[in-house]
Amino acid sequence: SQTIHQWPATLVQPVGSPLSLECTVEGTSNPNLYWYRQAAGRGLQLLFYSVGIGQISSEVPQNLSASRPQDRQFILSSKKLLLSDSGFYLCAWRGQYTEAFFGQGTRLTVV
Amino acid sequence: AQSVTQPDIHITVSEGASLELRCNYSYGATPYLFWYVQSPGQGLQLLLKYFSGDTLVQGIKGFEAEFKRSQSSFNLRKPSVHWSDAAEYFCAVAALYNQGGKLIFGQGTELSVKP
Repeated sequence: SQTIHQWPATLVQPVGSPLSLECTVEGTSNPNLYWYRQAAGRGLQLLFYSVGIGQISSEVPQNLSASRPQDRQFILSSKKLLLSDSGFYLCAWRGQYTEAFFGQGTRLTVV
Repeated sequence: AQSVTQPDIHITVSEGASLELRCNYSYGATPYLFWYVQSPGQGLQLLLKYFSGDTLVQGIKGFEAEFKRSQSSFNLRKPSVHWSDAAEYFCAVAALYNQGGKLIFGQGTELSVKP
């Protein structure tokens, strides 16, 4: 069966520090991969998606970047965090005839 | 561009009462539609999905949704709410898979259940 792993679960980082969040998928190949952010009391905002290795589409201009170095690995990064980067980050994958499957999320607090 | 509107930010119902959460979408082709539920601090769990076929879709936990193309709606219903249904509910529409397949979500409806 397919599973998705996302870590860490919580993270507290100072302003100006770098960020790296990792997501890996098991049990499927060539999935579409997604990073979403959920601010407090708000819906899910799509940040990036990828249809293949090295292929990244950005939905919102911002302080973040994404990479897909392997088929089932998706990384969200920042060189210098801002206070406004705080939020709940969710990774997801989707197959061609499936729904999206979500990880358990990372709660990021920038202080 | 595709979009989803959930007009109700917060709904409170009594335990045992019926529930309907509204969802309207905008999409140029036949949509793939989803309802997800999220408990605090958790990821999203799929309740049900519509890809094609029967417009009344059954999901987990006793939920159902009806796709109405003429109204661009995909409302979620449950005949009798349980206290454990208190959570946030998200409606989503998906783009074609070969165009990225991204899910666009509504703002969510927070459900509170009164004893």
